[in-house]
Amino acid sequence: EPEVTQTPSHQVTQMGQEVILRCVPISNHLYFYWYRQILGQKVEFLVSFYNNEISEKSEIFDDQFSVERPDGSNFTLKIRSTKLEDSAMYFCASSRDRAYEQYFGPGTRLTVT
Amino acid sequence: AQSVSQHNHHVILSEAASLELGCNYSYGGTVNLFWYVQYPGQHLQLLLKYFSGDPLVKGIKGFEAEFIKSKFSFNLRKPSVQWSDTAEYFCAVFPDNFNKFYFGSGTKLNVKP
Repeated sequence: EPEVTQTPSHQVTQMGQEVILRCVPISNHLYFYWYRQILGQKVEFLVSFYNNEISEKSEIFDDQFSVERPDGSNFTLKIRSTKLEDSAMYFCASSRDRAYEQYFGPGTRLTVT
Repeated sequence: AQSVSQHNHHVILSEAASLELGCNYSYGGTVNLFWYVQYPGQHLQLLLKYFSGDPLVKGIKGFEAEFIKSKFSFNLRKPSVQWSDTAEYFCAVFPDNFNKFYFGSGTKLNVKP
């Protein structure tokens, strides 16, 4: 069964550094998403991406964040200057259509020190 | 802003007990509804979904959920839980006028053997 994959599984970075989290969505999916889950809290929507552009973003997704689909398979989330409060599990998801079920990757645990 | 409420934050049951987890949402229009499960150390997996039709939907592993439109609810049920059902359960709502999922805060289920 096709899966969403994410790399790395765990990333440790210093405050102020840039990080890029990578995702490979399911190949025939058209909609891509990033969510985050701070330890012990709920899953929060960050951004949705369709047709090579952001279709919706949350208030969390400020200028420090950007997303890109650099080629036909990868979908990346960049945090330009990480803050301590960016420490969280980041999940990528993809779906075949807008309102269909989203398939989640295993997540990248980001630790900012 | 739309909201999804899961009233039970932590549920402890013995094996073979029946389970019902509540989920209520605030959106008044058409919604697609989902339950996801997150086993310890794993990513979110789809348990079941409701798009239209029969409001009682059956998912994997013996779970089912009932959509009650008048109550804005989509409660998850299982007649007899097993130790392996120990996990966190998230309700998610996709309102038709929005382009993202809204997740509930999750319910941690602990099943004692």
